[in-house]
Amino acid sequence: GDSVTQMEGPVTLSEEAFLTINCTYTATGYPSLFWYVQYPGEGLQLLLKATKADDKGSNKGFEATYRKETTSFHLEKGSVQVSDSAVYFCALSSSNDYKLSFGAGTTVTVRA
Amino acid sequence: EAGVAQSPRYKIIEKRQSVAFWCNPISGHATLYWYQQILGQGPKLLIQFQNNGVVDDSQLPKDRFSAERLKGVDSTLKIQPAKLEDSAVYLCASSERGPGGGPEETQYFGPGTRLLVL
Repeated sequence: GDSVTQMEGPVTLSEEAFLTINCTYTATGYPSLFWYVQYPGEGLQLLLKATKADDKGSNKGFEATYRKETTSFHLEKGSVQVSDSAVYFCALSSSNDYKLSFGAGTTVTVRA
Repeated sequence: EAGVAQSPRYKIIEKRQSVAFWCNPISGHATLYWYQQILGQGPKLLIQFQNNGVVDDSQLPKDRFSAERLKGVDSTLKIQPAKLEDSAVYLCASSERGPGGGPEETQYFGPGTRLLVL
């Protein structure tokens, strides 16, 4: 079945550092890919998404490009802030049944 | 626009007791989902409703879990009797999806109910 594998955490960074969280997927057909973020004490929020190969999703300084050739959707941010401390989930929506499959999540802590 | 509402936010019960969670999706959203998120893992789909009909409940432990969506709006998820391994966050999500929906559609999540079974 469809699945997502993302980089294990936790990840600890200093403010203004560069952040990359790796995400790879296994899927049949042409899934849509998502990054969700979960801030402490809150529910999941959509951060960005991409619906076809070579699409780039972006939001709040975060970017991710849908790479079909490497089945990847890595999340990047050039300069993180303390407020970016959260758990980040990579997810895919199957083109067969539209179900969301999540990775295990990566905890990111940004220190001032 | 109001988001997905869930209650209670926290619940502590003893094993073998019963518990119920409530969810109110975003107004007009046809599809409602319940997920279970165990600590350190990503959410896992338990059940999906389209309006008031069940689309997928293949991952729902039906011997103890039940869910309903009244009149295609609010939904309740019940656990009876609870086990220790049911300790988790229960997330409700909704999406607008109608007949034209596709894999690109966004699901909107509520804040979750954190359940601790002792």
